[in-house]
Amino acid sequence: QVQLQESGPGLVKPSETLSLTCTVSAGSISGDYWSWIRQPPEKGLEWIGYIYYSGSTTYSPSLKSRVTISVDRSKNQFSLKLRSVTAADTAVYYCARVFHEGPTYYFDFWGQGTLVTVSS
Amino acid sequence: QSVLTQPPSASGTPGQTVTISCSGSSSNIGSNIVNWYQQLPGTAPRLLIYTNNQRPSGVPDRFSGSKSGTSASLAISGLQSEDEGDYYCATWDDSLNGFHVFGTGTKVTVV
Repeated sequence: QVQLQESGPGLVKPSETLSLTCTVSAGSISGDYWSWIRQPPEKGLEWIGYIYYSGSTTYSPSLKSRVTISVDRSKNQFSLKLRSVTAADTAVYYCARVFHEGPTYYFDFWGQGTLVTVSS
Repeated sequence: QSVLTQPPSASGTPGQTVTISCSGSSSNIGSNIVNWYQQLPGTAPRLLIYTNNQRPSGVPDRFSGSKSGTSASLAISGLQSEDEGDYYCATWDDSLNGFHVFGTGTKVTVV
């Protein structure tokens, strides 16, 4: 079954850009939607956005001005960039596959998550 | 600030039934399907219930979901110690050009 693995720096300075990559294995990135979700320490889940394998995106209204999600089909990867980070962006970041058929929409495969701390 | 409200906590003794509510509005639960995710301590969330009341393969039938109007519920019957963790409802919201939303989360404790 599909496996996802997040990778990227665990520490980012305030005002800089957080960059993460999710590598998809045991399956192709083509034909599906892919999402980023985060969870601040001791808090709940927050959806960041998703990308279709073709490159079309939808973002959370609260993060839209700072987020870019992109896809690299040749590497079977998709990526997250979050600009102008602050301490409030400290969180475990998860990537996930989106099962999407008509009105049915859910996250069926998740990465293990990676902690990103924003601190100087 | 989530638009889906859940009780912060729920508890029960082994064997009991625990029910978790998820309250939304006409633009989210009232218009779209609801999914539930379970997050055990130190692990990534996993899909527990999809499309209001469907269980993925491997999820025990002790877990059941329902939806009515702008609210949804998750019931855990025959509560077991390994059910301790956080539970989140989730759905799509049609406002602001559409976005996905998670509930505030409920911590289930087996006492």
